[in-house]
Amino acid sequence: AQKVTQAQTEISVVEKEDVTLDCVYETRDTTYYLFWYKQPPSGELVFLIRRNSFDEQNEISGRYSWNFQKSTSSFNFTITASQVVDSAVYFCALISWGAQKLVFGQGTRLTINP
Amino acid sequence: DSGVTQTPKHLITATGQRVTLRCSPRSGDLSVYWYQQSLDQGLQFLIQYYNGEERAKGNILERFSAQQFPDLHSELNLSSLELGDSALYFCASSVVRESSGELFFGEGSRLTVL
Repeated sequence: AQKVTQAQTEISVVEKEDVTLDCVYETRDTTYYLFWYKQPPSGELVFLIRRNSFDEQNEISGRYSWNFQKSTSSFNFTITASQVVDSAVYFCALISWGAQKLVFGQGTRLTINP
Repeated sequence: DSGVTQTPKHLITATGQRVTLRCSPRSGDLSVYWYQQSLDQGLQFLIQYYNGEERAKGNILERFSAQQFPDLHSELNLSSLELGDSALYFCASSVVRESSGELFFGEGSRLTVL
């Protein structure tokens, strides 16, 4: 069975602080894919990153970075120098190769205060 | 803009009624997915179509049905509506048949059942 846990339900920080969103996953498959999606107040789901299980390289994209560690089954997301526009609900998701559905975590509501 | 179009954006109806939600995938995408987002269940996979054929089924109720037409647009039909069906319904599309590809989500259709 596949499962994604985002233990942080809500996080609130002040602008310019760094913030890390945790994601822990469970799967028995060796080939799988991990995702992060952003859901701003407007409601749409915006794709941020996709990572396959064979690529443990960390990735940085501007102020965003992702830390994938298979040893701890974690795929954490860090926003550096946060901005008010980063306020949103962030979802981590998992799918195994050949599986039928993308499994989402419950989401972390991030609020960046000015 | 993801390129996935969903209509209507908002819909208010009464219990026992039937509604149809429509989705136009991104140009060239053959796969269409439907997801339901509710406060208590989070993001749940309902069903996937690939090039007109049903490919995968998730937690879709028997009162719900979907189809994908030759022009690749999809419709999700919800009947005998109950209060608990109130949710945000997302459509997503991807190029590939397998769900491991990146999904592009529409802005969702918010259904309120009174």
